[in-house]
Amino acid sequence: GAVVSQHPSWVICKSGTSVKIECRSLDFQATTMFWYRQFPKQSLMLMATSNEGSKATYEQGVEKDKFLINHASLTLSTLTVTSAHPEDSSFYICSAGQGVYEQFFGPGTRLTVL
Amino acid sequence: AQSVTQLGSHVSVSEGALVLLRCNYSSSVPPYLFWYVQYPNQGLQLLLKYTTGATLVKGINGFEAEFKKSETSFHLTKPSAHMSDAAEYFCANSGSARQLTFGSGTQLTVLP
Repeated sequence: GAVVSQHPSWVICKSGTSVKIECRSLDFQATTMFWYRQFPKQSLMLMATSNEGSKATYEQGVEKDKFLINHASLTLSTLTVTSAHPEDSSFYICSAGQGVYEQFFGPGTRLTVL
Repeated sequence: AQSVTQLGSHVSVSEGALVLLRCNYSSSVPPYLFWYVQYPNQGLQLLLKYTTGATLVKGINGFEAEFKKSETSFHLTKPSAHMSDAAEYFCANSGSARQLTFGSGTQLTVLP
């Protein structure tokens, strides 16, 4: 149980284009999902907290107009990187909350912007 | 506010030797502590967690951790390292709203 999937697992795009990453909780309903960014050899940085049916809460320094988050259902949250640039290249990981304090992580999406 | 400090960004052990990865935390509320493992280009897998109750927590793959409030520590141990244990390990602390605060990670290398 408690499986979280991400799609795609990797994506390469041209600078200036937009990329959408999906995060799904496959066998449970998640009222809260989280989006993280991880640079090589570094820890996870929380970008935003997404609650079903409401606007996402972004961490300080994260551009909400660049990283659009939608949590339209209890099993799906999406992150759209708009007008991507090479500096947006990173590993993006989502997690879904179950219970009070536990999170289950997706396998991550490797984004490369050329 | 929560914070997590992992001592040692790189740890090397010989196969069969004891694994000890250190984690210290600070928390303004009773902590909920986690250890995750990450293999290259993959997400995080939960090894074990401490919420309440028994302070010695056993997890998967033979790992365990002990919550020591007096030392504000939650060190991860495994009696005998295996080559497959080579990975990145993250300690995390959860406060309110389920938000996790991660340590900087420890890369474990297992030498044959």
